[in-house]
Amino acid sequence: GNSVTQMEGPVTLSEEAFLTINCTYTATGYPSLFWYVQYPGEGLQLLLKATKADDKGSNKGFEATYRKETTSFHLEKGSVQVSDSAVYFCALSDSGGNNRLAFGKGNQVVVIP
Amino acid sequence: EADIYQTPRYLVIGTGKKITLECSQTMGHDKMYWYQQDPGMELHLIHYSYGVNSTEKGDLSSESTVSRIRTEHFPLTLESARPSHTSQYLCASSDGLAGEASTDTQYFGPGTRLTVL
Repeated sequence: GNSVTQMEGPVTLSEEAFLTINCTYTATGYPSLFWYVQYPGEGLQLLLKATKADDKGSNKGFEATYRKETTSFHLEKGSVQVSDSAVYFCALSDSGGNNRLAFGKGNQVVVIP
Repeated sequence: EADIYQTPRYLVIGTGKKITLECSQTMGHDKMYWYQQDPGMELHLIHYSYGVNSTEKGDLSSESTVSRIRTEHFPLTLESARPSHTSQYLCASSDGLAGEASTDTQYFGPGTRLTVL
């Protein structure tokens, strides 16, 4: 079945540092790929998405490129701010139209001033 | 901007009580979902619906039940709450008709944090 793997453990970094969160997936067909963000005490918000190979999703300075050859969708931001502290989830949706999402386990990101 | 609402936001209740968590959306979405989020942050799909009178169990077995009598409303009920039900419950909806590909984006409500004593 479909699955998503995110790197283990929280990520702690200083303001203005470069952020990378790794995400790899296993899927049949041609899934859509997503990054969701969850701020403290809130639900999940869509951060960005890509629906086909080589697409790049981007939003709020974050980027991720759909790499079919490496089955990856790594999230990057060049210069993080304290307000980027949140939990980040990678997810995929199968291509069958039922819209079920498979989520990774999430990564807590803490940005220190 | 997503318009999906959950009430209550926080609920502390004693063992054995019956509870209903409310979820409503004003976007006219046919597809709706309930997730349980454990303290380690991982999300588990427990119920979903593709439209009125359609409900299915998700990937994680749950003692809760759901109903879908109206498009905009997808309540979750626990007949007899137990401490093991303590968790964060997230409701979501997405556009498109069942069986058809769509934008795939799911929109989430703010969640209900349930504590059973």
